[in-house]
Parts: sequence; structure tokens; C-alpha cells
Amino acid sequence: EDQVTQSPEALRLQEGESSSLNCSYTVSGLRGLFWYRQDPGKGPEFLFTLYSAGEEKEKERLKATLTKKESFLHITAPKPEDSATYLCAVRRLDANTGNQFYFGTGTSLTVIP
Amino acid sequence: SAVISQKPSRDICQRGTSLTIQCQVDSQVTMMFWYRQQPGQSLTLIATANQGSEATYESGFVIDKFPISRPNLTFSTLTVSNMSPEDSSIYLCSVVSSGYEQYFGPGTRLTVT
Repeated sequence: EDQVTQSPEALRLQEGESSSLNCSYTVSGLRGLFWYRQDPGKGPEFLFTLYSAGEEKEKERLKATLTKKESFLHITAPKPEDSATYLCAVRRLDANTGNQFYFGTGTSLTVIP
Repeated sequence: SAVISQKPSRDICQRGTSLTIQCQVDSQVTMMFWYRQQPGQSLTLIATANQGSEATYESGFVIDKFPISRPNLTFSTLTVSNMSPEDSSIYLCSVVSSGYEQYFGPGTRLTVT
């Protein structure tokens, strides 16, 4: 069964305390893994796309990496403004139904000053 | 990227009534989705809005309950019909870019009393 699992569900960090969020997937025919940030009361905001194992993308304090089974979102020296829910999603290309997107349940990150 | 607006941003509706949510995009896009998000939960895909043809609904969602229009490549509406308190949720539209990342509207927060 195609599935995307994120862990942990919630994470509390002290400001400056680096950590990683995990997104594991069991999707055949992967055609991209996406990270989004969602602030309360807003729609998700696109962060990164990763296509192949070994690929890395960086933006400010965030770095996303991809292996054959999972992706990590590393947060280096986080600040309170990094507090949000981080969602990952995968795209699968199905011969019959075309593009399919699967979202994880998200990790709620709280950074304490 | 794409800029997406939704109307209304929020509404409180009586049981048994219907609400139409509008989604406007600042550029022409082929793929557009409608999602539902319960508080603290991830995204549930309702349907793919197809321009010039009927929407494609996910399992558990039907056209009579969630009729969708897509008259052109920049606009779509989702109607929530014969509402019950279980329909209280945040409704989001998204568009898919050429790189397959999704851009989301700000959401419509619906409360059914």
C-alpha cells in the first residue's frame, strides 16, 4: 500500500538546538518528494522538491535530503519563527490514473526561545 | 510559483444549507485540486478539478455532495451541499506547477452549526 509516514508527530526544540524530521515512504514509481511548511490558519507553503536518492536542497536553516526509502528535513540552529507544521508529500505516476500525490500527517515543530 | 486566492476565507453555515467556495489563480494551470483538512490533521484530497469536464473524485467523495466547476484554467468552485456539522473543516485549493510542486490557497474555514 502506498503510504507516507512522518515522525515525530510533534517536536519541541530550544532555540539553537538542531534536529531532523523524518518522512518515510512506501510508494512505487516515485516521481518526486516535496516538503511544505504550514503555519496555523494558512495553506501549506512549498519548500523543496527532491527527485533522486542522494539529492540535497538547502534554504536558510533547512536542508532536505533523500534516500531510497526516506527523506530528512534537517533544521540547523532553529529560531522561534521556524515553528510550524512541516508536511512531506510524494508524487507517483500511475499508468492508468496519472499523477497521484500522497501527503504525510506532518510534524508540528515548536521552537522555544 | 502561483498566487491563489480563495473566497470566502471563513463562514458559519446552518445545517442543510450549501456553500460555494471560489478559487482564483493568477496564471493558467492545468492541474487543480480541492482538499479538506481537519484541525490538526493532514490533507485529504476531495477531487481533481478538470477544465471543461467533470471533476475526478476520490473514494468517499461524491459529486452530489461536492459539485465542482472549472470553467477555465484560472478559476474553480467547490460547493459543499446539504451541510452537516461533520463538514466543518478547512477547504483548500491547490494548483500544480510544471515541476509538480503544489501551491495552495489560504483556505476556507467552514463551521456548520
